[in-house]
Amino acid sequence: DQQVKQNSPSLSVQEGRISILNCDYTNSMFDYFLWYKKYPAEGPTFLISISSIKDKNEDGRFTVFLNKSAKHLSLHIVPSQPGDSAVYFCAASVTGNQFYFGTGTSLTVIP
Amino acid sequence: ETGVTQTPRHLVMGMTNKKSLKCEQHLGHNAMYWYKQSAKKPLELMFVYNFKEQTENNSVPSRFSPECPNSSHLFLHLHTLQPEDSALYLCASSQETRANQPQHFGDGTRLSIL
Repeated sequence: DQQVKQNSPSLSVQEGRISILNCDYTNSMFDYFLWYKKYPAEGPTFLISISSIKDKNEDGRFTVFLNKSAKHLSLHIVPSQPGDSAVYFCAASVTGNQFYFGTGTSLTVIP
Repeated sequence: ETGVTQTPRHLVMGMTNKKSLKCEQHLGHNAMYWYKQSAKKPLELMFVYNFKEQTENNSVPSRFSPECPNSSHLFLHLHTLQPEDSALYLCASSQETRANQPQHFGDGTRLSIL
């Protein structure tokens, strides 16, 4: 039973526009959430994280939003650039214990 | 990023072969992990080591045998694998387990079982 779900396998966005990637989870005990980015033939690279005491964390063009009541996490990329084209994974854990990953969303940013 | 290095990058082996995957991290971390990624499935945690001690074994079949000689090196010994074991095997490290810190991944070994 998947505890972290990314229901959109793919997303296409025009360069310069906003990309919004979504993630839902079922375990209300999760208190630490991360986003990873993965290029083909490379391992996942850590992008940004958020703990459950916050509802927003921002790092440059990347912002992660957490809605605990909805058990929903989203990653906003603005403005989107062609180099952002990759697979994005969300992950969640209870105090850094076992991480549960989603199946990923493939983002294509069209020049 | 060269913080976590995995070798080999690709491996093809028969079901009766014995081979080993190697992972090395240069980040000064104390925790290391093996994950399996099969097509269209989320990453599955296999093993966790913290300060060279195994702390997690997620019901992994005994044909997979991990070894952690020190905090910088992690091996996955493979023996008598099945075709369904074909997958991408990823190694990761973090400062320690049970802490809100990201894990850093290697580029993986793509394993194909004939």
